[in-house]
Amino acid sequence: SQTIHQWPATLVQPVGSPLSLECTVEGTSNPNLYWYRQAAGRGLQLLFYSVGIGQISSEVPQNLSASRPQDRQFILSSKKLLLSDSGFYLCAWGRDSTSGETQYFGPGTRLLVL
Amino acid sequence: SQELEQSPQSLIVQEGKNLTINCTSSKTLYGLYWYKQKYGEGLIFLMMLQKGGEEKSHEKITAKLDEKKQQSSLHITASQPSHAGIYLCGAVGSGAGSYQLTFGKGTKLSVIP
Repeated sequence: SQTIHQWPATLVQPVGSPLSLECTVEGTSNPNLYWYRQAAGRGLQLLFYSVGIGQISSEVPQNLSASRPQDRQFILSSKKLLLSDSGFYLCAWGRDSTSGETQYFGPGTRLLVL
Repeated sequence: SQELEQSPQSLIVQEGKNLTINCTSSKTLYGLYWYKQKYGEGLIFLMMLQKGGEEKSHEKITAKLDEKKQQSSLHITASQPSHAGIYLCGAVGSGAGSYQLTFGKGTKLSVIP
C-alpha cells in the first residue's frame, strides 16, 4: 500500500531564515506530487505540483520554491522566510487514471515564522 | 477561476442526529472530492463523484452530485463523535491534464455525546 511522509511535523523558524520541508511517497512510482498551504480563514491553496522528476509548476508567485530530485521525493524550500509563510503545509500524491485522479495527503508540517 | 462555497461553515449536532453539508460551485464540476480533516492532521479521502446524479456511500456517510453538476451534498446519518472534524470539498479544474484541485474553506463539525 502507498504511504506518504512529511518531515518535520512542526517547525518554528525566525524571519529571514531558510526553509526545507520534505515529502516522500512509498509504494508507488511516477506519482504526481503537490504542495499545498492551509492558512486560517483562507482554505487550502495549491502552491506547486510536479508530474515528473525535475518538472515543477508553480501556481502562486511567492518566495517559496519546490524541487523534485527523485521520483518519490518533493521538497519545498525558501531562502528567506517571511511572517506570512506561517501555516500548515500539506503534501499530496496522485496518479492519473481513466476515472480521474484522487489526491492522497500527508500528515502535514506546521510552520510558525516568528 | 472556480470557487467552491461550503455551507454551513460550522455545525454542532447531538450524537445520533443526521446532518447535511453542502458544496456549491461557481462552475460545472468535472470531479468533486470530499475529504475529512482532524485539526492539525492531513486530509483523509472520503469519496469522489464525477457524474451528474451520482451518489456514493461509505459507512454512514453519503455524498451526492446534483444533475447539473454544480452542487454536492454530504449527508451523515446517526452522527457519532468519530465524525467530528473539518469536511472539505475539492473540485478538479476543467480541461484535459488539469491538476489543480480547488477547495472550499471547509465545514467544521462537532458532535456532542
